[in-house]
Parts: sequence; structure tokens; C-alpha cells
Amino acid sequence: AQTVTQSQPEMSVQEAETVTLSCTYDTSESNYYLFWYKQPPSRQMILVIRQEAYKQQNATENRFSVNFQKAAKSFSLKISDSQLGDTAMYFCAFISYGASKLTFGTGTRLQVTL
Amino acid sequence: NAGVTQTPKFRVLKTGQSMTLLCAQDMNHEYMYWYRQDPGMGLRLIHYSVGEGTTAKGEVPDGYNVSRLKKQNFLLGLESAAPSQTSVYFCASSPLRAGGYQETQYFGPGTRLLVL
Repeated sequence: AQTVTQSQPEMSVQEAETVTLSCTYDTSESNYYLFWYKQPPSRQMILVIRQEAYKQQNATENRFSVNFQKAAKSFSLKISDSQLGDTAMYFCAFISYGASKLTFGTGTRLQVTL
Repeated sequence: NAGVTQTPKFRVLKTGQSMTLLCAQDMNHEYMYWYRQDPGMGLRLIHYSVGEGTTAKGEVPDGYNVSRLKKQNFLLGLESAAPSQTSVYFCASSPLRAGGYQETQYFGPGTRLLVL
């Protein structure tokens, strides 16, 4: 069974600074997707970034980038130039090809301060 | 293009009452899902569907039933609500990628359910 671990329950960063959220996962599969979802106070689950395991290049989306280390089964999210609107719960998630179930970590609550 | 919508946004039930949550998507996605989110936990899959007329159990299916009579709609039913079903419920959908695998899941805004 796949598991996703987010070891940082809460983090804080000042506006305009950079922060990295950690995620590790465990799987015996070789083909899979990894995701970071953001859940602001509105509760909406918003896709931040996606990585396919076969791609060696790390995914980037504007201020958001990942450090994907397949051998280490690590998938961290870096947020550059943090903004107040980045304050949210961030969930790391995993799904293998052909699976129906998206496995979530327990989340990291990020607070961006002035 | 509204994406994934959920009805209602909030509901209070008494123990033993029944209700149906409606999820609708306008992206022509094959896959649809129902999750629940409880404090301190990530989302847990209740039931899912891989196409119109199909349903399957997730990891926490007990006490819930689902139906997918139309491709764009996925209904979640509680026949006899219990306080343990107090939670936030999320619907999601995903497209079918080449090779028959699903892809990114897109979520609705959630339904907050309180069972007294």
C-alpha cells in the first residue's frame, strides 16, 4: 500500500521569502503521479503542481516548484516570493497509473506573515 | 465552464435522517469520486466511479451509497445519518488519459455536513 508522509504539521514564512514543504512517499510502483494541492480557508482544494514520475525535470508553475527525488521518494514544494494569499493547508498526494485512489498526506499548514 | 459543483454547501441533519449530496461536472470527465475530510487527516475515499452506470467502494464506504446515472452527475447518499458522518465531503472528477489511466483530479468546493 502507498503512504504519503508530511512531517511538518505547521510552517510560517514572511512575505516575499521562500519556503519549502516536505513530502515523502512509499510505493513499489514505478509509474505514478505526484501532486501538491492547496486548501485555503475557503476549503476549496486547488491543484498547485503536478509531477509525473517518469519525467526527470522538476515541475514548475510560476512561483511554485518541486524538488522530485525519485530514488529517495521525496517530493518537496518550494514557494518563492511568498504572498499572503499563499496562507493555506498544503496536501501532498500520490496516485499510481491505473489506480483509482489518490493517497493524501495529512497536510502542512502554512502561514504567511507580514 | 463551472468545473465541479456540489449541492448543498452546508447541511445539518439529525441522527437517522437521510440525505443526498449532488456532484456535477461539466468537463466530460470519466472518473468521479467522493471523499470525506476530517480534522487532522487528509482526504479519504468513500466511493468512486469509472464511468456512467458504474460505482465502486473506496476505503471508507460503510454508511454511504452512490449512483452515477448520468456521466456528469455523481450522487452520494446517507440512508441513516450518524454523528460519525459529520465531516466535510468533497467531490472530484478526472479525465481518462491515453492508456486508460486516470489523471489529475479536480475538486468541488465541498459540502459541510453536521449530524446531531
